[in-house]
Amino acid sequence: QVQLVQSGAEVKKPGASVKVSCKASGYTFSNYYMHWVRQAPGQGLEWMGWINPNNGGTNYAQKFQGRVTMTRDTSISTAYMDLSRLRSDDTAVYYCARGKEWELPHWGQGTLVTVSS
Amino acid sequence: QSALTQPPSASGSPGQSVTISCTGTSTDVGGYNYVSWYQQHPGKAPKLMIYEVSKRPSGVPDRFSGSKSGDTASLTVSGLQAEDEADYYCTSYAGSNNLVFGGGTRLTVL
Repeated sequence: QVQLVQSGAEVKKPGASVKVSCKASGYTFSNYYMHWVRQAPGQGLEWMGWINPNNGGTNYAQKFQGRVTMTRDTSISTAYMDLSRLRSDDTAVYYCARGKEWELPHWGQGTLVTVSS
Repeated sequence: QSALTQPPSASGSPGQSVTISCTGTSTDVGGYNYVSWYQQHPGKAPKLMIYEVSKRPSGVPDRFSGSKSGDTASLTVSGLQAEDEADYYCTSYAGSNNLVFGGGTRLTVL
């Protein structure tokens, strides 16, 4: 069965960067886009972008362009989301989600990133 | 990309039907048949309930159905059950390889 296991919670200071990992299993990693979605406390879901694990191609939501970098390591079936110049309003749960066409049938468990001085 | 518009809340009694709307524009909801709906219980990851406007993944009860008319998509939950109480989010493909979410609707089973 498809599983996406994310890295653990992080606490970062404003201005720092955070890198969240998402290890996939149960399917051929290169065959499906990996999306990243975040959810601030008590707020809705916000799409951040995707990476094509096959060739490393990416597409980022306009809001995050210049601050987010999505990468992958196909040798260990793992996708990464790096967010830089963190602000307090980046405090959120970050999810990876495997795409199929434009729906997201499989999600990781989420990683809480807290930005606080 | 602007978020899709959903009502903040909806409610119904057990056994009743409730419909949640998701309004976009001709560049997202109205332009493509790639509308999905997700259910999220508190503290849990979202779960895909409907994709491509009206298709149900295996395992999702047929009490959940989706439709679209123009720039507005809808999720209908029939025969409401207590476990349907959750937050519901719509998404749509928005062109240029982008996805956009709705603001979410909290469904309360009275």
